[in-house]
Amino acid sequence: QTVVTQEPSFSVSPGGTVTLTCGLSSGSVSTNYYPTWYQQTPGQAPRTLIYSTNIRSSGVPDRFSGSILGKKAALIITGAQADDESDYYCVLYMGSGIWVFGGGTKLTVL
Amino acid sequence: EVQLLESGGGLVQPGGSLRLSCAVSGFTFNSYAMNWVRQAPGKGLEWVSSISAGGSGTYYADSVKGRFTISRDNSKNTLSLQINSLGAEDTAVYYCAKARALMPRDPFDIWGQGTMVTVSS
Repeated sequence: QTVVTQEPSFSVSPGGTVTLTCGLSSGSVSTNYYPTWYQQTPGQAPRTLIYSTNIRSSGVPDRFSGSILGKKAALIITGAQADDESDYYCVLYMGSGIWVFGGGTKLTVL
Repeated sequence: EVQLLESGGGLVQPGGSLRLSCAVSGFTFNSYAMNWVRQAPGKGLEWVSSISAGGSGTYYADSVKGRFTISRDNSKNTLSLQINSLGAEDTAVYYCAKARALMPRDPFDIWGQGTMVTVSS
């Protein structure tokens, strides 16, 4: 059973830059996994930020970006703002119609 | 405006069944794959099931395979999820999510607001 890994929590200062990662318990993440990132605040539905590694969803500020860094997919937030404080989830396509989410990262901005 | 509206959630006893629906508008439904994703209280997101645009391809997480059935009615712009043999572990908010294109490998972009399923005696 492949597990998708994310940092459970992360902290960033206002105006700072943070890199959240999305890895695999075994192997490396590549663009073939179509890594996609979502932002979720309590009580709300997820919001799509980045899909297929690095394509920004409509209306998403350009301070959110995605890439592959080493063996992992990454979500980079530059110039962090207070309202970026949220849960962030990545999801990877495993093939054969199967998607697997990471456990999510709780981002604190302080 | 793209809209997805889930319904059909509620309180059900262990071993029971429910049928969830997702009514969509604002896009050409039969051109996009669709998904169900759930979130247990206080927990992360879990992909549950996908269906291709035409409905011929269906896919399930191991945790629900054999108990859940995804389907769609492209004439009525409706996605459904039949959930059987419910257990406490199925208690969650169930979201429908539209894919970016017609295949299940296409990432999901637009989400509904979810419908709550509670399994309890």
